[in-house]
Amino acid sequence: DAGVTQSPTHLIKTRGQQVTLRCSPKSGHDTVSWYQQALGQGPQFIFQYYEEEERQRGNFPDRFSGHQFPNYSSELNVNALLLGDSALYLCASSLAAAFKNIQYFGAGTRLSVL
Amino acid sequence: QKEVEQDPGPLSVPEGAIVSLNCTYSNSAFQYFMWYRQYSRKGPELLMYTYSSGNKEDGRFTAQVDKSSKYISLFIRDSQPSDSATYLCAMSANTNAGKSTFGDGTTLTVKP
Repeated sequence: DAGVTQSPTHLIKTRGQQVTLRCSPKSGHDTVSWYQQALGQGPQFIFQYYEEEERQRGNFPDRFSGHQFPNYSSELNVNALLLGDSALYLCASSLAAAFKNIQYFGAGTRLSVL
Repeated sequence: QKEVEQDPGPLSVPEGAIVSLNCTYSNSAFQYFMWYRQYSRKGPELLMYTYSSGNKEDGRFTAQVDKSSKYISLFIRDSQPSDSATYLCAMSANTNAGKSTFGDGTTLTVKP
């Protein structure tokens, strides 16, 4: 049973560019949440997708957007990258019918903005 | 001030010691409390979750929640070198299931 998979593992971009990160949830899960984890800090909630719609959003600007596909996989897009966007981006999946707080995390995508 | 404050550590203990990890929070709406373990260059792994106040035990791990004091703890008994990792507390309100607010983590090293 595959867990949460994220791609790519690492990414290097320059300021002003755009980036797309991808996530495949754990088999059977239908809800995907995205978190940003800066070095030495805990993950911060970006947004959550369920039934292909954004259901909840954290305190992140509109430069951060996402999408969920019919197969429950998800993308995180960040436009006009800033140096401060350098972080580990984590995807977490859960099952809405069970307990959304039981989240399984992927290994993350490490984004470096130069 | 952050909603969730976690003892920053780092914490270094000898193998076999009892470890206590702690978090405080300010949002009284939090009802779900989780502990995650994160190894270097890995995603967080859910260890324990509890609802409202009380204790929950799972093997060598015990989670305690005191909502009156807004204080949660994770105890690790008979600590092992393999327990060396960063431990993150996380919390969620009933109305925001799946939107977890995390502490900044405590790094634990268990020395053989």
